Order: sequence, then C-alpha cells, then structure tokens
Amino acid sequence: EPEVTQTPSHQVTQMGQEVILRCVPISNHLYFYWYRQILGQKVEFLVSFYNNEISEKSEIFDDQFSVERPDGSNFTLKIRSTKLEDSAMYFCASSDIGSLGPNYGYTFGSGTRLTVV
Amino acid sequence: DQQVKQNSPSLSVQEGRISILNCDYTNSMFDYFLWYKKYPAEGPTFLISISSIKDKNEDGRFTVFLNKSAKHLSLHIVPSQPGDSAVYFCAATVEHSNYQLIWGAGTKLIIKP
Repeated sequence: EPEVTQTPSHQVTQMGQEVILRCVPISNHLYFYWYRQILGQKVEFLVSFYNNEISEKSEIFDDQFSVERPDGSNFTLKIRSTKLEDSAMYFCASSDIGSLGPNYGYTFGSGTRLTVV
Repeated sequence: DQQVKQNSPSLSVQEGRISILNCDYTNSMFDYFLWYKKYPAEGPTFLISISSIKDKNEDGRFTVFLNKSAKHLSLHIVPSQPGDSAVYFCAATVEHSNYQLIWGAGTKLIIKP
C-alpha cells in the first residue's frame, strides 16, 4: 500500500537554528499538507500546498516557516530560526482529491519529532 | 476557537463491549467528517468517514453516526478489542475546498481485558 515517508524520525536542534523536515508524498497525489502536534495537545493544521503554491495556511505558519517541493517528489517544511515552542511532532500528509476513496486517499506519514533545546 | 470538540480525553471499555466516542462541531460549513486512529509514535490512520448527506456509515466493527441538527457525531466500535486501544481523533472538513482538516483534541480509548 502506498505510504507517505517522513525523514528524519527524530530531530534535535538548538534554539535559533534552521531545520528542514522532509516528506515524500504518495506519487500521484496532488495536495500536500503539514500538521503538527505539540505533546499532549491536538493536531493542528499548518499549511496546504497545491499546484506548486501554498493554498492555505494557519496563524501558526508565520514568516519563520516555509514549504517547498524542490524536485517534484519531496515536500519540505523549513523552520528558519527554531524556538522552544516549535518542539512538536510534525506530520506530513498527501491526498488525491479526485479519488473516490472514502478519505480521498488522505494519508499521513509517521511524523518527525522535533525537539528544540 | 475550537470548531471540533472531543470532550472526553479518555474512555475505558471492557473488551467485547461497545465503545462510543463522541465529537461535536460548531462550524455549519463542515460537510465531511473523518475518524482517525493514532498509536504512539505513529501518524494518524484513517478509520471511517461520513458525508453530511448521510446520517450513518458502517464499516465492519466501526459505525459513525451523524446528527446534523445537533452538530454531533459519534463513532461506535463493537465489539471492542484490545488492539482498539489508541487515541481517536475526529476531524472535519469542507468538501470541494482544499480539504484542510480541522481536528478534535482526541480521546484515548483503553480496552480492558
């Protein structure tokens, strides 16, 4: 079964450093998403990406965040200058809106645990 | 602004009995609802969904009920099995939008042997 792959599984970084979280979505999917879950809290939407541009972003997704699809297969989330409160589990997801499946093929990766120290 | 609410942080159910997980929403624009199951250190996995044109959808042991007038949905698992122990998230979206999912806070289901 196709899956969304995220690397690394765990990233530790110092406050103020830049991090790049990587995702390989399912190959025929068209929509890409980043979500995060701070420990003990709810899953929060960060950004959606379609047709090589951001289609929607939340208040969390400020100027410190950016996304890119550099080579047609990878989908990356960059945090320019990490803060302690960026520590969370970051989930990438992709979907195929044209799919007739019950969840539009909305599939999540297993996440990257980001720890900012 | 909690548009999707799961008011029970945890629920404990005896193996073999019915588990009922509840979810309320406030945004009347939502027209598609999904339930996800999440194990520790894994991403959410899709369980079952329901469109607002229906009031019930069933898939094996899982049934989702939607009460649009009350803006309430519930997930029934029967019979409950030990492997069902996980955190269950309710999520909502607006169809034909960019399919951003709005999530509830989750309910941790514990199935007791």
